[in-house]
Amino acid sequence: DGGITQSPKYLFRKEGQNVTLSCEQNLNHDAMYWYRQDPGQGLRLIYYSQIVNDFQKGDIAEGYSVSREKKESFPLTVTSAQKNPTAFYLCASSRDVYGQETQYFGPGTRLLVL
Amino acid sequence: SQQGEEDPQALSIQEGENATMNCSYKTSINNLQWYRQNSGRGLVHLILIRSNEREKHSGRLRVTPDTSKKSSSLLITASRAADTASYFCATDPTTGANSKLTFGKGITLSVRP
Repeated sequence: DGGITQSPKYLFRKEGQNVTLSCEQNLNHDAMYWYRQDPGQGLRLIYYSQIVNDFQKGDIAEGYSVSREKKESFPLTVTSAQKNPTAFYLCASSRDVYGQETQYFGPGTRLLVL
Repeated sequence: SQQGEEDPQALSIQEGENATMNCSYKTSINNLQWYRQNSGRGLVHLILIRSNEREKHSGRLRVTPDTSKKSSSLLITASRAADTASYFCATDPTTGANSKLTFGKGITLSVRP
């Protein structure tokens, strides 16, 4: 089965805690993305990666960090510096980062603060 | 800032009716894509139309651009209850290197059985 998986489906964060969201793809795509979705605000780009060992900040990168050590994996860490982390997080991939490519999305992770 | 903005924000129709959703954008684009999102799920790509295409069909979907107005419409014909979802347009602006897709805020479509 080809596609993108995200885990966990739900994640709870305590005050001051860092949490990591997993994203894996087996589509052999070079580009991967992380988006944050809040009600009524659509998708906002957090980070993207065009190739292994390289990533770029998106529109709302503050309080987040990423790594891209393997082509298949692009984990997102929500750090304690992110003061309003409650949101739905979506990972996506595409053949390359250019806008003419279709993006394939994972099922999402909902992050809640305790 | 958002490049593509959908209109209306919400749409409620009866099963069997057609649904028309619009996407407007501020700057020139290379292409425009429509995605669908069921509640609590990821987005799924529906259709892509390039700036030089006049119209694009895919099953019950039809996308018609109006480059003079910097807008594009998505028509879903003979709607079904299963079409109930949020629909997003995503634009690829022509300006800037490594241009990336920018998503709008979405339209919530409800199809009443």
